[in-house]
Amino acid sequence: AQSVTQPDIHITVSEGASLELRCNYSYGATPYLFWYVQSPGQGLQLLLKYFSGDTLVQGIKGFEAEFKRSQSSFNLRKPSVHWSDAAEYFCAVRTGTASKLTFGTGTRLQVTL
Amino acid sequence: DAMVIQNPRYQVTQFGKPVTLSCSQTLNHNVMYWYQQKSSQAPKLLFHYYDKDFNNEADTPDNFQSRRPNTSFCFLDIRSPGLGDAAMYLCATENRDGNEKLFFGSGTQLSVL
Repeated sequence: AQSVTQPDIHITVSEGASLELRCNYSYGATPYLFWYVQSPGQGLQLLLKYFSGDTLVQGIKGFEAEFKRSQSSFNLRKPSVHWSDAAEYFCAVRTGTASKLTFGTGTRLQVTL
Repeated sequence: DAMVIQNPRYQVTQFGKPVTLSCSQTLNHNVMYWYQQKSSQAPKLLFHYYDKDFNNEADTPDNFQSRRPNTSFCFLDIRSPGLGDAAMYLCATENRDGNEKLFFGSGTQLSVL
């Protein structure tokens, strides 16, 4: 079965600083990979996804993620963080159409002004 | 223009008193999911409907049931809520056309007294 690991439970960055959130997955083949963001008390919003092709994926709100097969990673990045980016970020994986979406435990991002 | 709507936003019930959470969608998606998310944890899939076909996760307690009377609506019934069932319940929808994108509602926060 597939699994997702987000090593960082909580990260604090200053506004304007760069950000990288880590995600590692475990699966025998290349899964479908996603990053979702959840603001407090809200549902989840898709930031970006990777299925195949270009390993650098652009998403909404200025986020990007890079798939690295050799490292089984799909890290999320943003060059300059805004205070409104403070939220919980979930990496997720599914192994194909009709398979369930499995979430990592999340990384809580705090942004200091 | 909310596309996945969950009601109520907050629900308080008593220990052992049945409760129903509702989800509606305007997207005409063929798949509807129910996730349970406890504080500071990843969303955990309870079950999903693919059209009228019900798919239960193996570790979903029997205390949780679901109904989907039509494409637009899906209900989560908790027959005898325990203190451990206090959580955020998230509904999500998907159109299985290869897009692989789930649309989430804002969730219902359930408290059990």
